[in-house]
Amino acid sequence: DIQMTQSPSSVSASVGDRVTITCRASQGISSWLAWYQQKPGKAPNLLIYAASTLQSGVPSRFSGSGSGTDFTLTISSLQPEDFATYYCQQTNSFPLTFGGGTKVEIK
Amino acid sequence: EVQLLESGGGLVQPGGSLRLSCAGSGFTFSSYAMTWVRQAPGKGLEWVSVISASGGTIYSADSVKGRFTISRDNSKNSLFLQMNSLRAEDTALYYCAKGLYTVTTYYFDYWGQGTLITVSS
Repeated sequence: DIQMTQSPSSVSASVGDRVTITCRASQGISSWLAWYQQKPGKAPNLLIYAASTLQSGVPSRFSGSGSGTDFTLTISSLQPEDFATYYCQQTNSFPLTFGGGTKVEIK
Repeated sequence: EVQLLESGGGLVQPGGSLRLSCAGSGFTFSSYAMTWVRQAPGKGLEWVSVISASGGTIYSADSVKGRFTISRDNSKNSLFLQMNSLRAEDTALYYCAKGLYTVTTYYFDYWGQGTLITVSS
């Protein structure tokens, strides 16, 4: 199974900050990676797929990069509605696996 | 508007069974892969099982193989998860989700609100 390791597990940031979350795969997954945002009590929301493709309707302050084993989600200017938990997911092979999540908290 | 509505959750004893349903609307249900993902209380996301648009291809997590069965009825725009031999560690909120494209990919763009399964005596 491919293990997905996210770091940090939590980050405290202020509105307007640039936030970067990293996801590392235990083996190469090409660009078969998605990022989801989950707010408390809500279902996950797809932000980015294929490592860097912004899902329709997602603000452009979100961006994704990387390939192979190392990936990054960047929020260029944190907004109040961005405080949430973020998960990466690999779709290279079964079983599909998620990272452990990164909680973005208000500083 | 795409909508996914799960049902069938509840309290069940260890060793018991439940059948979850997910009703899809607002899209051509028969054209998209569908999946179940679960989330234990206070924990992260865990993929459970996926089924292709036609129902001909199924993959499941090792943790549920032999106990859970995913299926679909495209004539009724419905997805199912038959859960047998339930264990305490199956306690979670179960989400159904829709594949992003009609071409099989395993990115999921719409999710239901989830249905809670509690396995306890």
